[in-house]
Amino acid sequence: GENVEQHPSTLSVQEGDSAVIKCTYSDSASNYFPWYKQELGKGPQLIIDIRSNVGEKKDQRIAVTLNKTAKHFSLHITETQPEDSAVYFCASRPGANNLFFGTGTRLTVIP
Amino acid sequence: GAGVSQSPSNKVTEKGKDVELRCDPISGHTALYWYRQSLGQGLEFLIYFQGNSAPDKSGLPSDRFSAERTGGSVSTLTIQRTQQEDSAVYLCASSADSGQPWGYTFGSGTRLTVV
Repeated sequence: GENVEQHPSTLSVQEGDSAVIKCTYSDSASNYFPWYKQELGKGPQLIIDIRSNVGEKKDQRIAVTLNKTAKHFSLHITETQPEDSAVYFCASRPGANNLFFGTGTRLTVIP
Repeated sequence: GAGVSQSPSNKVTEKGKDVELRCDPISGHTALYWYRQSLGQGLEFLIYFQGNSAPDKSGLPSDRFSAERTGGSVSTLTIQRTQQEDSAVYLCASSADSGQPWGYTFGSGTRLTVV
């Protein structure tokens, strides 16, 4: 089955700096790659996603890149703010109906 | 409803007891998913429903775990003879169609503690 690895497990950045989280996947059939943000006591919320027919997608301060050849994708957050502090999960969909998630990255933005 | 609703939000149970966790998906969403999130871990897939049928039960960790969905809406996850390793947050998500995972919406979860 699909295996999604996510790094780093924790990340601390100064407010205003950029943060990058990286994921790799194993199943070449994967065609959809969402990123979720989970705040304390809440369920994960979709923040951005990318499909396999594009290499990059941006939404204001957030961007995701995909390298299908290398089977990795990354989340980039620029100009970080304290409210960006949360746990971030990457996921992939290997042609089946359910998503496979990474183990999460706890991002702390230091004011 | 406006979102995915899960109940109870917290459940403490004694080892060996049975528990039922409930998920009420977004109205009209045909696909429903259960995940388990252990402390400091990622989301572990348990089971997926399309309507009332469960095409994929591959993630259920043991035969103590079962789930059903009736009327294409509410789902219950039942854990029999609970063990301490069952302690986790159980998350439910729904989407309009199984072919549209970009529509995944999660509930806030049920935190289960087995003592």
